Amino acid sequence: NAGVTQTPKFQVLKTGQSMTLQCAQDMNHEYMSWYRQDPGMGLRLIHYSVGAGITDQGEVPNGYNVSRSTTEDFPLRLLSAAPSQTSVYFCASSYNGGEGNTFGSGTRLTVV
Amino acid sequence: SQQGEEDPQALSIQEGENATMNCSYKTSINNLQWYRQNSGRGLVHLILIRSNEREKHSGRLRVTLDTSKKSSSLLITASRAADTASYFCATVLFSGGYQKVTFGIGTKLQVIP
Repeated sequence: NAGVTQTPKFQVLKTGQSMTLQCAQDMNHEYMSWYRQDPGMGLRLIHYSVGAGITDQGEVPNGYNVSRSTTEDFPLRLLSAAPSQTSVYFCASSYNGGEGNTFGSGTRLTVV
Repeated sequence: SQQGEEDPQALSIQEGENATMNCSYKTSINNLQWYRQNSGRGLVHLILIRSNEREKHSGRLRVTLDTSKKSSSLLITASRAADTASYFCATVLFSGGYQKVTFGIGTKLQVIP
């Protein structure tokens, strides 16, 4: 099992550009989520999904879109990148959301 | 405000000593989890304690939960240099079919060889 795979590991964007952060898991987990991690802020939930075709907003959803067409994949789209979106992004999955999450290794995004 | 707030924010100890980290939270929970994050890596789930449990052990880890005080502690016994990492607590509340997971800001542990 590869667990949770995130790509890319690093990305630099110019303000206004768009991009998609990829996340895939091979554990047949129903629950997937995206977090951003900023210094002194802990992890904050951006969007989550409780199964294919079902997504919902977390704590900080503005500027991000998600979709869940398959159980395995949960991409995060930045619509028009802003410097405030400079952060480390983590994708996580779990069997039902309330048990332990498996995290990907993260994507470090810099918006200039 | 943070649901889970770890204390201390940074801790430096000698190898072989015990490390204790605390987590306080504000609302009801269904369970509380502890995670470890090595520098530049993702979080790794360590242990989960349910709201009706008071203490749980896993190897060198001991977690306690006091729901009356809304606090938890993580004890790492006989620390090793490899335990150097940041440790996060996460509270989980089941509500309306959704499991709300809230992370604290973490405790940075340094174990000096």
